[in-house]
Amino acid sequence: GQSLEQPSEVTAVEGAIVQINCTYQTSGFYGLSWYQQHDGGAPTFLSYNALDGLEETGRFSSFLSRSDSYGYLLLQELQMKDSASYFCAVSPSGNKLSFGAGTTVTVRA
Amino acid sequence: GAVVSQHPSRVICKSGTSVKIECRSLDFQATTMFWYRQFPKKSLMLMATSNEGSKATYEQGVEKDKFLINHASLTLSTLTVTSAHPEDSSFYICSASSGQGPYEQYFGPGTRLTVT
Repeated sequence: GQSLEQPSEVTAVEGAIVQINCTYQTSGFYGLSWYQQHDGGAPTFLSYNALDGLEETGRFSSFLSRSDSYGYLLLQELQMKDSASYFCAVSPSGNKLSFGAGTTVTVRA
Repeated sequence: GAVVSQHPSRVICKSGTSVKIECRSLDFQATTMFWYRQFPKKSLMLMATSNEGSKATYEQGVEKDKFLINHASLTLSTLTVTSAHPEDSSFYICSASSGQGPYEQYFGPGTRLTVT
């Protein structure tokens, strides 16, 4: 099976930087994905790492270390609209996804 | 980007009745569709994977006779909750994959099911 661990909550002020860590245990591994979900809404894809290293997409970056079974999502220049839940997810096989419990990010003015 | 729709967005039904939820990929062909269940403030739990024209693959602990999944075309999958009970009340989300991206899944807006 798969297990993923990420912090349950993070609070930060506008303009700050937030790092959400994700550690995983999985029987198979194709990559680590990150999704954002606003209250009552659909999850939206943020990033995907199949190889070690940092992937940067605008204000958001994602990092993966396969040897450490660890990754993180970095949110920079936080804005109020970034208040949401963020899920890491592993692809253990094919195109299935197994999600972590999610991290609720609250951005304060 | 790819768009996935779900219908209905909200449904209230009485115990013992069945409810059908539709999931459509609007601008791409979805070789695979996934059905998830999400409780408030919780993670997405994969219920089943469906491939067009074949039987769905259910995750452990999911009753296939209770949650009927049909993937009749490359743009439509349906989830039918049969003989619904209050404990089936939840947020049901589908996602679709074209199989071309790096395991990207495009999610529908979800269906809030309340069983009274």
